[in-house]
Amino acid sequence: DARVTQTPRHKVTEMGQEVTMRCQPILGHNTVFWYRQTMMQGLELLAYFRNRAPLDDSGMPKDRFSAEMPDATLATLKIQPSEPRDSAVYFCASGLVPGANVLTFGAGSRLTVL
Amino acid sequence: AQKVTQAQTEISVVEKEDVTLDCVYETRDTTYYLFWYKQPPSGELVFLIRRNSFDEQNEISGRYSWNFQKSTSSFNFTITASQVVDSAVYFCALSDFSSGSARQLTFGSGTQLTVLP
Repeated sequence: DARVTQTPRHKVTEMGQEVTMRCQPILGHNTVFWYRQTMMQGLELLAYFRNRAPLDDSGMPKDRFSAEMPDATLATLKIQPSEPRDSAVYFCASGLVPGANVLTFGAGSRLTVL
Repeated sequence: AQKVTQAQTEISVVEKEDVTLDCVYETRDTTYYLFWYKQPPSGELVFLIRRNSFDEQNEISGRYSWNFQKSTSSFNFTITASQVVDSAVYFCALSDFSSGSARQLTFGSGTQLTVLP
């Protein structure tokens, strides 16, 4: 089965440090999403790419978060500087449009900021 | 704007019982898709089903069945003869064009289902 691969699976860091999470979408998929999951807020959309172009990053704190797709096989989500409130599980998902855009999710990156 | 409501935060049942997870949605679009995802304790989100807004036929897949009713904006999920392995958080989600050209998934808050042996 094709999978979305996320690294790292777990990351513990100290406040103020830079964190980079990586995602390899399924080959052939043209949409990539970044979601954040916390107990309080549930699943929140952070950013959305289509054909590598950012279409929506309104859910992302712009001052510290950035998302990019340097190429079709790699999406990155960077936090600089990190804060304790960024502690969450970050999911990457990929899909295909046009179509129903059924998203396949990665296993998530669990981030803990001390 | 689109919205998905899963009013049941937690449900506990005993194995072999039937259980229904409720989902109510809001959208201004006439064309949209509804989804259910399962998140087992391992954490990964697993796709279960997708329905489009023009197809109100109920669907059954093994012990799983889905009841889509546009008149009440609901897309409920029933597990028949539940098993311990069904224990997970279940998310209902909506994908429409409310956000412009993008088709994004808006998730409900999830329902934690615990099946006791």
